[in-house]
Parts: sequence; structure tokens; C-alpha cells
Amino acid sequence: AIRMTQSPSSFSASTGDRVTITCRASQGISSYLAWYQQKPGKAPKLLIYAASTLQSGVPSRFSGSGSGTDFTLTISCLQSEDFATYYCQQYYSYPWGFTFGPGTKVDIK
Amino acid sequence: EVQLVESGGGLVQPGGSLRLSCAASGFTFSSYWMSWVRQAPGKGLEWVANIKQDGSEKYYVDSVKGRFTISRDNAKNSLYLQMNSLRAEDTAVYYCARVATISPIFGYWGQGTLVTVSS
Repeated sequence: AIRMTQSPSSFSASTGDRVTITCRASQGISSYLAWYQQKPGKAPKLLIYAASTLQSGVPSRFSGSGSGTDFTLTISCLQSEDFATYYCQQYYSYPWGFTFGPGTKVDIK
Repeated sequence: EVQLVESGGGLVQPGGSLRLSCAASGFTFSSYWMSWVRQAPGKGLEWVANIKQDGSEKYYVDSVKGRFTISRDNAKNSLYLQMNSLRAEDTAVYYCARVATISPIFGYWGQGTLVTVSS
């Protein structure tokens, strides 16, 4: 099974900061990687798929990059509504399964 | 507007059974793969099961194989998850999610239903 790791697991940041979250797959997954944002008590929201394609309606301050095993999610200018937990997800092994990373919590400094 | 509404969660004893339902609306349900994803309290997301449009293919995470069964009724626009031999570690919020056609990602999610396995 493909395992996903994320770093850091959590960190504090300020509004206006540029933040980067890293996701690593245990084997190459090409660009079959998505990012989700989740706020407490809510369902996850799709931000990016195919490693770098922005979902419709998602602000352009979010961007994704990478392929193979190493990926990043960048928020160029953190806004108050961006404080949340972010998950990466591989779908290389679809339809036999999906794997999520453990999540990265971004909170207010 | 796409809507997914889960129901059927609750408190069940270890070894018991529960059937979750997900009512879909706002799209042609029979055209999409569907999934169940769960989240234990304070933990991350875990994919549970997938089902093809016509129900002919089903896939499960190893930890639920032989205990959980995913199914669907396209005439009723509904997705189901039959959960048997429940364990404390199955305690979680269970989400149904629609698998997109452009790419197998979860573009739409329900609000979730909480399953608590405890004596």
C-alpha cells in the first residue's frame, strides 16, 4: 500500500505569511495527488488536484507543485479563513484505494 | 446543487451492526463512482470503500474487508455502508463522497454521520 507522510504536522503562522506544506509518497505516484482543507466540524474541501490544478472557486493564493514522490502546497499570503488542517491524498492506486496523509494543522501565531 | 446527506449513525456495542445511508441529489447518481471516508475523533481521514456506477466493482481498505459492505441503489439515488462486527476502532464520523469524473478525487462530500462503538 502507498503511504503518505506530511510535514510539518502542525505549525503556527500569521496572516500574510507565505506557508508551505510538504507531502511525500512512499512510491512514485506521478501527479495523482490532491489537497484538501478541513475546518473543525466540517467536511473536507477540495483545493487542488493533479498536483497543481486549482479546483474551481479556490483562491489563487493556493498553489500546488511536485510529481513522483514529493509534493508541496503553498499559500502565498495566509488569510484568516485559511487556518485549518490540510490533507494530501494520493489516487494513483484508484480504484483499489486512496490514501490520505496524516494532515498538517495551521493555526494562528 | 449537489447534495449528499448521510444518516444511520449512532451508538452500537462492540460486535454489533449498523447500516449507514447516503441520499444523493442534484446530479445523476448512477453516473458516478461513490466512496465512504471516515475520520476518527481528533484523527485524520481514512478512505473506507469505493463502488462503481453499476455496483459491479467494490473495493475496501484492509481493516474493514469481510466486515463492511458498500452498496448502492441507483433507483433511489442512495449509497449504503453495512457495517458488521464493529470494533471500538471503527468509531468515527463517516462521510460519503462523490468521485469526480475528471479525476478520481472527492469533489463533493456529505456532512458526515457519527458512529460510536462502545459498551
